Amino acid sequence: EPEVTQTPSHQVTQMGQEVILRCVPISNHLYFYWYRQILGQKVEFLVSFYNNEISEKSEIFDDQFSVERPDGSNFTLKIRSTKLEDSAMYFCASRNQPQHFGDGTRLSIL
Amino acid sequence: RKEVEQDPGPFNVPEGATVAFNCTYSNSASQSFFWYRQDCRKEPKLLMSVYSSGNEDGRFTAQLNRASQYISLLIRDSKLSDSATYLCAPGFQKLVFGTGTRLLVSP
Repeated sequence: EPEVTQTPSHQVTQMGQEVILRCVPISNHLYFYWYRQILGQKVEFLVSFYNNEISEKSEIFDDQFSVERPDGSNFTLKIRSTKLEDSAMYFCASRNQPQHFGDGTRLSIL
Repeated sequence: RKEVEQDPGPFNVPEGATVAFNCTYSNSASQSFFWYRQDCRKEPKLLMSVYSSGNEDGRFTAQLNRASQYISLLIRDSKLSDSATYLCAPGFQKLVFGTGTRLLVSP
């Protein structure tokens, strides 16, 4: 069964550094998402992406965040200057319908 | 009012028991509804979609009440492997998750 893949599985970064999280969505899916989950909290929507542009973003997705689909297969989330509170699991998802999630990247900011 | 509300639990049940979870949502414009399960520190995995007429998938039955903005999940004949957090997710373009309900099935 096709699946969403994410790399790396764990990223440790110094505060203030840029980080890029990578995702390969399921190949025939058209809609792409990033969510995050702070330890012990609920899964929160960050951004949705369709037709090479952001279709919706949450309040969390501020100017420090950006997404890109640089080629036909990858979908990336960039955090420009990481903060301690960015430490979380970041999940990529894709769909036609329903959404399927990757196994996440654990981001630890030191 | 929270967008999605679920009893966090935990629900402790013995193997073979029947257990039901409820979920209420505030956005009456929600068009699609799903139940996901999440194991500790893992990604949400789709358990089932929820249809207006209610639907069943093996031991799992989901119901939707649009008038009351309420979704339910019934698990029959609980297995140890059912131990997880169950996330209700209304949404269409994006999913809005509750905190989930934790289920612990014991021998």
